[in-house]
Amino acid sequence: KQEVTQIPAALSVPEGENLVLNCSFTDSAIYNLQWFRQDPGKGLTSLLLIQSSQREQTSGRLNASLDKSSGRSTLYIAASQPGDSATYLCAVDSHSNDYKLSFGAGTTVTVRA
Amino acid sequence: DVKVTQSSRYLVKRTGEKVFLECVQDMDHENMFWYRQDPGLGLRLIYFSYDVKMKEKGDIPEGYSVSREKKERFSLILESASTNQTSMYLCASTQIGTNEKLFFGSGTQLSVL
Repeated sequence: KQEVTQIPAALSVPEGENLVLNCSFTDSAIYNLQWFRQDPGKGLTSLLLIQSSQREQTSGRLNASLDKSSGRSTLYIAASQPGDSATYLCAVDSHSNDYKLSFGAGTTVTVRA
Repeated sequence: DVKVTQSSRYLVKRTGEKVFLECVQDMDHENMFWYRQDPGLGLRLIYFSYDVKMKEKGDIPEGYSVSREKKERFSLILESASTNQTSMYLCASTQIGTNEKLFFGSGTQLSVL
């Protein structure tokens, strides 16, 4: 069974600092990995999806890398802003014909003004 | 933009009541999902559906049922609500195919008293 871990559980940084969020998974036979953002009391928003054949994906200040062999993904957020404060979750798709994702518990980020 | 709409943001019900949670998506997605999210336990899949009138059990189906009579609508039913079903319920949908992003609704916070 795929296990997804996100460490740390919480992170607090001053505005302007770069954020580095980590995600690890136990089974390297994945099809893709998604990073989501969740604001308090709200649903999840997909930020980036990295296919298994890709090493990274970028969107604006966000960059996500994937190292399948070591079972790791990292989400980088450049020049953090208070509006980046949220919980970030990663999720792994291990089956091509089955859309059951395995989610990490998330990292809660606070960016201090 | 894809929209996944959950009919209620907050719901308070009594133990033993039958509860219906409704979810509608507007992008003609084949796949729809119901998750619950609890502090410390993360997201857990309750049921999912690949097509109209089709349903599959997720990881925690006990105490729940679902209905998908139309492609755009996926309903979660709590036959006899219990206090341990107090949770945030999240509906999601995605297009068929590999490497498709998952889109979530805003969630329904259900309290069973």
